Amino acid sequence: AQSVAQPEDQVNVAEGNPLTVKCTYSVSGNPYLFWYVQYPNRGLQFLLKYITGDNLVKGSYGFEAEFNKSQTSFHLKKPSALVSDSALYFCAVRDINWGNTGFQKLVFGTGTRLLVSP
Amino acid sequence: DGGITQSPKYLFRKEGQNVTLSCEQNLNHDAMYWYRQDPGQGLRLIYYSQIVNDFQKGDIAEGYSVSREKKESFPLTVTSAQKNPTAFYLCASMASGGRRETGELFFGEGSRLTVL
Repeated sequence: AQSVAQPEDQVNVAEGNPLTVKCTYSVSGNPYLFWYVQYPNRGLQFLLKYITGDNLVKGSYGFEAEFNKSQTSFHLKKPSALVSDSALYFCAVRDINWGNTGFQKLVFGTGTRLLVSP
Repeated sequence: DGGITQSPKYLFRKEGQNVTLSCEQNLNHDAMYWYRQDPGQGLRLIYYSQIVNDFQKGDIAEGYSVSREKKESFPLTVTSAQKNPTAFYLCASMASGGRRETGELFFGEGSRLTVL
């Protein structure tokens, strides 16, 4: 089964510093990987995705993610953190073989809380 | 603007009562999903539907039921059989959900259910 792991429950960073939120994946075949952000009591918002091509993917709000096949990682990054970036971040992977129907779902990690201090 | 509307935002119920959460989308998406979110556990799939009048159980379907009578609507009923129903429930949709789909999910704002 496809899965992702987010090893850090929380990441703390000072405003203006670079941030990294880690994600590793386990898949059979080529991975489709996603990052979502969730603000308190809100739904998830799509940030970016990796399907194929360039290993550095750029997304919304200045975020980017680096796909590393040898390390099976897809870390989320931002060069300069903002206090408003404080939120819960989820990594996800597409599972297309689920149930052998060809129908797909996203499998989510447990989430990493990012706290950016002023 | 297109999107997914969930209601109610907050809901309280007594033990033993069924409750239905509404999910409506105007994105013209075929596939719809219900996820449950608990602290520290990420999102877990309850039910999904690829087409009208068809739906399948997800990883944690026990104690829940759904219907898909219209393309736009995918309501979730939390029954009294659900042992621990207090959670944040998220509805999502995808254009088709099939193999050619790149997999981006669109989410509603969620419904927080508290059992008293």
